Amino acid sequence: DIQMTQSPSILSASVGDRVTITCRASQSISSWLAWYQQKPGQAPKVLIYKASSLESGVPSRFSGSGSGTEFTLTISSLQPDDFAIYYCQQYKRYWTFGQGTKVKIK
Amino acid sequence: EVQLVESGGGLVKPGESLRLSCAASGFIFNTFSMNWVRQVPGKGLEWVSSISSSSAYIYYADSMKGRFTVSRDNTKNLVYLQMNSLRGDDTAVYYCARGRAAAGEYFQYWGRGTLVTVSS
Repeated sequence: DIQMTQSPSILSASVGDRVTITCRASQSISSWLAWYQQKPGQAPKVLIYKASSLESGVPSRFSGSGSGTEFTLTISSLQPDDFAIYYCQQYKRYWTFGQGTKVKIK
Repeated sequence: EVQLVESGGGLVKPGESLRLSCAASGFIFNTFSMNWVRQVPGKGLEWVSSISSSSAYIYYADSMKGRFTVSRDNTKNLVYLQMNSLRGDDTAVYYCARGRAAAGEYFQYWGRGTLVTVSS
């Protein structure tokens, strides 16, 4: 099984900050990685797919990078609507989610 | 507009069974894979099962194998998750999600989820 590990688990930041979340895979997944955002009481919403492709309708302040086993999600300038939990997901072999990163207000 | 609406959740006792349904609309159902993901309240996301567009490929997470069965009816735009021998650790919100393609790929659209509570 492919394990996904995110860091940090919790991130405190202010509006306007540049935020980076890291996701590591236990083996190479090429670029088969997606990032999701989940707000309280809502279903997850995809932000990034294939490691760096922006899903339609997602603001350009979100970006993804990486390949192989190490990936990052970057929010260039944190907005009030971005305080949420973020999950990475590999879809190279079956599907596995990371444990999540909560972005909270500093 | 893509819509996914789950139903069938509720309170059941350990060992009992439950069938969840997901009604899909707003897209050509028989061309996309469908998936189930669950989330224990306050915890992370766990992939449960996936079924390809034609039902040719079906996959389960290891902890669900042998107890859960996924199926779909392409004539009715429905996907099902039959859950047997339910345990307390199956308590979760169960989401239905559409894949981006006929098989594999990430989960592009999600329903709002249905809560399953397993308790005596």
